[in-house]
Amino acid sequence: EAGVAQSPRYKIIEKRQSVAFWCNPISGHATLYWYQQILGQGPKLLIQFQNNGVVDDSQLPKDRFSAERLKGVDSTLKIQPAKLEDSAVYLCASSLRGIGSGELFFGEGSRLTVL
Amino acid sequence: DAKTTQPPSMDCAEGRAANLPCNHSTISGNEYVYWYRQIHSQGPQYIIHGLKNNETNEMASLIITEDRKSSTLILPHATLRDTAVYYCIVRVEGGGNKLTFGTGTQLKVEL
Repeated sequence: EAGVAQSPRYKIIEKRQSVAFWCNPISGHATLYWYQQILGQGPKLLIQFQNNGVVDDSQLPKDRFSAERLKGVDSTLKIQPAKLEDSAVYLCASSLRGIGSGELFFGEGSRLTVL
Repeated sequence: DAKTTQPPSMDCAEGRAANLPCNHSTISGNEYVYWYRQIHSQGPQYIIHGLKNNETNEMASLIITEDRKSSTLILPHATLRDTAVYYCIVRVEGGGNKLTFGTGTQLKVEL
């Protein structure tokens, strides 16, 4: 069974530039999550989707971050404009069960460096 | 969700059992205890979860105290590949509740 796919694995940009990360969850998984992990910290939830609907985006900095999951399958997380403090690993996860239930399967993450 | 307390780091000799403690003294009756681990440069990986009873799977055992205020994850025969950060998380099932990670325990397995 294929796991959660993320791309790109690494991205270096300058501050005020934009960047987009893509995630393809495990086939059949209805729920999808984006986490941000700053070096030395645990992952922090940014947004969670149930199919193509946003369930919780309370921790997403909406002035610069956006995410969509238009057809209820793959998802894109965008940052525009990027700040130095956005340097982190962006992790995508999916789950077979509904929001708040069951185990999450994580991708390997996309590492962003903002210079 | 209740907060958890874990030691920042632990060492273990290869082949020995690794016992990772977690304190969750404010856990409520409907909160499960989850364990994930994160190997360097990888995403977190689910290990095990439980509510009241002890649980065992192919990866580990989870021992929850009778009052549910603490738990221990046991890796029975640790190998070098078990070196990782281990996260203990408590969460109510369903209802849109988030999986909230703390800083975890860095387990280092050595020869």
